[in-house]
Amino acid sequence: GNSVTQMEGPVTLSEEAFLTINCTYTATGYPSLFWYVQYPGEGLQLLLKATKADDKGSNKGFEATYRKETTSFHLEKGSVQVSDSAVYFCALSDKGAAGNKLTFGGGTRVLVKP
Amino acid sequence: ETGVTQTPRHLVMGMTNKKSLKCEQHLGHNAMYWYKQSAKKPLELMFVYSLEERVENNSVPSRFSPECPNSSHLFLHLHTLQPEDSALYLCASSPGQSFGTQYFGPGTRLLVL
Repeated sequence: GNSVTQMEGPVTLSEEAFLTINCTYTATGYPSLFWYVQYPGEGLQLLLKATKADDKGSNKGFEATYRKETTSFHLEKGSVQVSDSAVYFCALSDKGAAGNKLTFGGGTRVLVKP
Repeated sequence: ETGVTQTPRHLVMGMTNKKSLKCEQHLGHNAMYWYKQSAKKPLELMFVYSLEERVENNSVPSRFSPECPNSSHLFLHLHTLQPEDSALYLCASSPGQSFGTQYFGPGTRLLVL
């Protein structure tokens, strides 16, 4: 079956530091890949996505590249802010028999200190 | 603002109560979803509706009863819940059941006493 593995947190950084959150996946088909972000007390917001190999998703200074050869979709940001403190979820959507169901990783909590 | 709203945002109920969670999407989507987010557990898909028809029920106990009267509204009726049902319940919608990005509402934080 499909699965998503992401690094456990919490990840604690200082403001303006470089952030990387690793995400790897297993899937039977050709999935779309997503990063969602959950700010304290809120639901999930789509951060970025990529629908095919070598695509790069980007938004709000975050980037992730769909790497089929390493089955990875690592999230990066060059200079984090306190407002980036949140839980980040990597997810995949297999467009095959599973339809549009999302499989989520366990989430990575990021805390950015001033 | 994602175009998906949920009410109430917070709910406290006893184990013998009956309550309902409401979700509304303003995106013109045809598929809607209920997820459960518990502490220290991955998000769990509970139900999927496509064009008001239930297409997925992930072995959810019968004390959770979904209803989808039209493609814009989704309810989750709750009765005789257990304390372990305390969680954040998230609603999502997507253009279709087999395609399109899912957009989430803010969730209802449920506490069962």
